[in-house]
Amino acid sequence: EAGVVQSPRYKIIEKKQPVAFWCNPISGHNTLYWYLQNLGQGPELLIRYENEEAVDDSQLPKDRFSAERLKGVDSTLKIQPAELGDSAVYLCASSYRDIPYNEQFFGPGTRLTVL
Amino acid sequence: DAKTTQPPSMDCAEGRAANLPCNHSTISGNEYVYWYRQIHSQGPQYIIHGLKNNETNEMASLIITEDRKSSTLILPHATLRDTAVYYCIVRSTVTTSGTYKYIFGTGTRLKVLA
Repeated sequence: EAGVVQSPRYKIIEKKQPVAFWCNPISGHNTLYWYLQNLGQGPELLIRYENEEAVDDSQLPKDRFSAERLKGVDSTLKIQPAELGDSAVYLCASSYRDIPYNEQFFGPGTRLTVL
Repeated sequence: DAKTTQPPSMDCAEGRAANLPCNHSTISGNEYVYWYRQIHSQGPQYIIHGLKNNETNEMASLIITEDRKSSTLILPHATLRDTAVYYCIVRSTVTTSGTYKYIFGTGTRLKVLA
């Protein structure tokens, strides 16, 4: 069974440029998460989807970040415009359902460098 | 929301048991404890979770104290491939708006020594 797929794995952009990250969750997983991980820190949740609905976007900086999950499968996270402080690893995870005893499966992440 | 406290780093000899502690003294009755680990340059990997009882699977054992204020993850025979950052997480209960906390913190960096 394929795991969570993310692309690109690495991205280097100039500040003020837009950037987008793509995630394909495990087949059949209804819940999708986007996390931000700064160097030396644990992942922090940005947004959580149940199918195509964003049920928790309370930690998403909505002035520059946006996300979508078309048809409740793949998802895209966008930053526009990127700032120097956005340099981090962006992780996507999925789970079958968002219930307490379901584990989350993580992708390898996209490492973003903003110059 | 329950907060977790872990030592920043630990060493363990290869082949010995690695015991990783976690304090979660403010945990409430229906909040689960999860453990994940993250090997360098990879996404976190689920290890185990528990509510009240001790749990064991093919990767590890989870010992939760009777008062649930702390837990210990046990890797019974650590190998070099177990070198990673280990995160103890308490998943908070869901609010009326459908949100909850699932905070990874900074974890424990376990180094398994040959």
